[in-house]
Amino acid sequence: EAGVTQSPTHLIKTRGQQATLRCSPISGHTSVYWYQQALGLGLQFLLWYDEGEERNRGNFPPRFSGRQFPNYSSELNVNALELEDSALYLCASSFSRDNEQFFGPGTRLTVL
Amino acid sequence: RKEVEQDPGPFNVPEGATVAFNCTYSNSASQSFFWYRQDCRKEPKLLMSVYSSGNEDGRFTAQLNRASQYISLLIRDSKLSDSATYLCVVNSRGGSYIPTFGRGTSLIVHP
Repeated sequence: EAGVTQSPTHLIKTRGQQATLRCSPISGHTSVYWYQQALGLGLQFLLWYDEGEERNRGNFPPRFSGRQFPNYSSELNVNALELEDSALYLCASSFSRDNEQFFGPGTRLTVL
Repeated sequence: RKEVEQDPGPFNVPEGATVAFNCTYSNSASQSFFWYRQDCRKEPKLLMSVYSSGNEDGRFTAQLNRASQYISLLIRDSKLSDSATYLCVVNSRGGSYIPTFGRGTSLIVHP
């Protein structure tokens, strides 16, 4: 069974640009979560999507947004990039909100 | 008080040692609990779920203490390959559902 996949693996952008990160969940999983992990820090919850709807978001500005498609894949958009947005962005999926989450390998975003 | 707290360590133990980590949580409505391990610059991988009755998987034992609001992870007969950061996750019940990760506890197993 294929795991959670994310693309691209690495992304380099400059300040003010926009970044789009993509995630495909495990087959059968309808919940997708996005996290930010800055170097040396813990996972910070960004967004939770389930059945195509945004269910909750963490304490991040509105320039962090996303969506979930009918096939349950998801994309995260970060507008007006700032240097401090440089981090590993992790996507996870689960069968439902109370079930264990399985993570993709992440997208490492570098903002110059 | 942070929602989920872990001692960052590092815990530095010899091979074969037994080591235990705790994770405390503040929301009494918390519903489900998990332990993950994360290797350097990699994604977290599920280690085990934590059930009210406690559960064991080989050398690993997880327990939940709802009265004192903490979960624990015990690793017996530590291996060099157990060196990693161990994250606890707490999922809370209710409308504002946010899965909350602890900052992690670093374990270093040395020969």
